[in-house]
Amino acid sequence: KNQVEQSPQSLIILEGKNCTLQCNYTVSPFSNLRWYKQDTGRGPVSLTIMTFSENTKSNGRYTATLDADTKQSSLHITASQLSDSASYICVVKVSGTYKYIFGTGTRLKVLA
Amino acid sequence: DAGVIQSPRHEVTEMGQEVTLRCKPISGHDYLFWYRQTMMRGLELLIYFNNNVPIDDSGMPEDRFSAKMPNASFSTLKIQPSEPRDSAVYFCASSHTNIDRGSYNEQFFGPGTRLTVL
Repeated sequence: KNQVEQSPQSLIILEGKNCTLQCNYTVSPFSNLRWYKQDTGRGPVSLTIMTFSENTKSNGRYTATLDADTKQSSLHITASQLSDSASYICVVKVSGTYKYIFGTGTRLKVLA
Repeated sequence: DAGVIQSPRHEVTEMGQEVTLRCKPISGHDYLFWYRQTMMRGLELLIYFNNNVPIDDSGMPEDRFSAKMPNASFSTLKIQPSEPRDSAVYFCASSHTNIDRGSYNEQFFGPGTRLTVL
């Protein structure tokens, strides 16, 4: 069964600190993996997208990694800011289709 | 570009009533997706269209749900009759890519419609 699991479910950190969010997937055949940021009351916005041949992708203070062998991905946030408070969703696309398997997200709260 | 537009942003209705959610995709995009998001299940794909044609509706939960795309710039998701368990945020997304192994196929999401069925 195609699944995407994220951990932790929620996370609270202090402003300026770093954090890492985890994503494990069992999706086959694999096309790509993306991380979305979803602010409260808004739709998800893409942060990074990686295919199976890409190990790491950065977008400002956000760095995503992908290990296609172990089917794991992580999203690292550096020097967190209050505006990073949001849900972060890991999504894997099934190759040859337009099916996207979504994780339930990690809710991040950054405190001043 | 205004992005994906959804209306209404909030809808409160009573059980048994018909609910219609509306979506205008980004101009030029030929794929349109309807998702439902709940705390327990996260985002779930309900149905998607390509060039106004429904391609996969396997995520539509019941016959009470129906979706149409009469033209490239408009789609509706209808629930009739609505039930309290339909309460969720419904997102519309659009993209313009080909199905291709390894391609990015980025989707752009609308702001969502928060539906509450009493």
